[in-house]
Amino acid sequence: DTGVSQDPRHKITKRGQNVTFRCDPISEHNRLYWYRQTLGQGPEFLTYFQNEAQLEKSRLLSDRFSAERPKGSFSTLEIQRTEQGDSAMYLCASSPNVAGGAYEQYFGPGTRLTVT
Amino acid sequence: AQSVTQLDSHVSVSEGTPVLLRCNYSSSYSPSLFWYVQHPNKGLQLLLKYTSAATLVKGINGFEAEFKKSETSFHLTKPSAHMSDAAEYFCVLYTGGFKTIFGAGTRLFVKA
Repeated sequence: DTGVSQDPRHKITKRGQNVTFRCDPISEHNRLYWYRQTLGQGPEFLTYFQNEAQLEKSRLLSDRFSAERPKGSFSTLEIQRTEQGDSAMYLCASSPNVAGGAYEQYFGPGTRLTVT
Repeated sequence: AQSVTQLDSHVSVSEGTPVLLRCNYSSSYSPSLFWYVQHPNKGLQLLLKYTSAATLVKGINGFEAEFKKSETSFHLTKPSAHMSDAAEYFCVLYTGGFKTIFGAGTRLFVKA
């Protein structure tokens, strides 16, 4: 068990470009989450997958954002036509499927996006 | 509405003195509550969790938290601070429907 990994760790892009981030959850964790964290704030929930199904999306996830989890393994988060306001740390987390719903999430190190 | 409020954005203590980080919550359901710690340039790590079992929850590194339904609070404490405790701490509410709400965070400073 190597933990949750994210790639890249840092991304600098120009406004208007598209970016894609990857998250590899802990193997056998069927729940996967994406969050966005800006400086001085707590992480904000973006979206949730159970296996390959995207079950929950925040209103923060505008139509420029899309997330996938093909085959229920790794996940990608794509941001199209990036804006300076998209600059943030993007965190991925995974958790096992625990009966009753209460669970703990294991977080990756994050991808820091800077839009210039 | 579901929400989490961390009452202090910064807390400063001296090494060896007690730590108290305050968290209040609002939830229409029986809540599950967590405390996470985030050290600089490191990922979020779970300290402890409350899931409707014992109201006094013990976590890692000597931290504990008490769930008080009447006060809608879940404060984090530690009897004696260590320099390595300096970090950002987040109180987290699980709302059901797989959505989690983080508080804004409390930055803990530990003075030598």
